[in-house]
Parts: sequence; structure tokens; C-alpha cells
Amino acid sequence: GAVVSQHPSRVICKSGTSVKIECRSLDFQATTMFWYRQFPKQSLMLMATSNEGSKATYEQGVEKDKFLINHASLTLSTLTVTSAHPEDSSFYICSARDHTGSGVNTEAFFGQGTRLTVV
Amino acid sequence: LAKTTQPISMDSYEGQEVNITCSHNNIATNDYITWYQQFPSQGPRFIIQGYKTKVTNEVASLFIPADRKSSTLSLPRVSLSDTAVYYCLVGDVSSFQKLVFGTGTRLLVSP
Repeated sequence: GAVVSQHPSRVICKSGTSVKIECRSLDFQATTMFWYRQFPKQSLMLMATSNEGSKATYEQGVEKDKFLINHASLTLSTLTVTSAHPEDSSFYICSARDHTGSGVNTEAFFGQGTRLTVV
Repeated sequence: LAKTTQPISMDSYEGQEVNITCSHNNIATNDYITWYQQFPSQGPRFIIQGYKTKVTNEVASLFIPADRKSSTLSLPRVSLSDTAVYYCLVGDVSSFQKLVFGTGTRLLVSP
């Protein structure tokens, strides 16, 4: 089945630094990818929709200058947390759909997630 | 986007059948119902998807009544490894529509 890979799976950084998280669709092309964050014991919260070749669409309350998204190719989207602070510590998850199949209906595939800890 | 309502948590024992119901009263004509499973510190994993009536695969069954305002995920003979959070999502998956997660149901399977 289709696979979405995230890297790194775990990262620790100092306050004030920036961290980049990569999301790759391994065996399909994804014109659209989604970025979520998840705090402990809570559900996934959609942050933004990443569109290949155009600007990302951010959900209300998500700072676009804080969370930079680049979707430069059909298989790669990146999320950069800029000037990270301890409150940015969270579990970040990306998702993509494979729309190249012949079926009308497609499932969304999720990366394994990235645990970010800002110290 | 159709809003979903699920029980916050459920408890079961190994070998039992577990049924998790999700309400989605304002489901649209083009919307499908999809269930995901999430283990701690992992991304969600697709379980099953359906539009109406009944769908069955190797891990679960999905029951959808005629009015489609609810759906029930059925897990036969659960094991300890089925302890996870289960999310019901509703949306038009043929488009690029974003997936919005509800609270999910935290299932605890005990020996």
C-alpha cells in the first residue's frame, strides 16, 4: 500500500532555533498534503494544507510565519518550526492522499509522526 | 465538513466483540465514512471505509444504516494489541477535502 514517511521521528532542539520536518510520499504523487499537531491525550489538530507549487493554506489561529510549509515537489512537503519555543513541543503528523488510482474513493495515509521537544 | 460524535472511551476484555458507534447527523450525499486507529506516538492507520450498508475487511466491519446518520465500527474478538484510539471521520474523499479529526474513542482492552 501507499506509504508516507516522515523524518525525523524525534528531535530535540534549543529555544530560538528552527527545526525542519520532512514528509514524503514514497510510491505515489501527492499534490496535497496535510500537517497536524497533537498534544498528549488529545486529538489531531489540522494546522495547514500543503499544496504543491503554491502557498499553503493555514487553519485559523495557526501562524504562517511560525510554521513555514514548502511543497516543492509532488512527493515532498516540509514543515519548518521557526524560532521554536517550549510550547511548540508536540507531535507533528503529516498526511497525503493518493489520487492517482482508478477508484473514486481514496484513503488518506499518515506519516509516523515527529516528536518535537524544545528545551 | 460533517461533525462526528463518539464515546470518549470504552473498556473491553480480550476475545470480546467491540462496537464503537459514531454519530454524523449532517453527513452530505458525497461523504464517505472512514475509521482510523492510532497507537501512542504513531500516525493514524486506516482501518475501514464505507458509504452505506455493510463493509467488511480482514480486521473490522463497518455498519451504516440507511439514513447514514451514524455508523458502527465492529472489532471481532479484540486482543490487547487493539488498545488504541479510534477515530471516525466523514468527508468527500474523492476530492482534496481536508480531514478533520474529532475526539476519537479510547479503547482499553484488558486481559
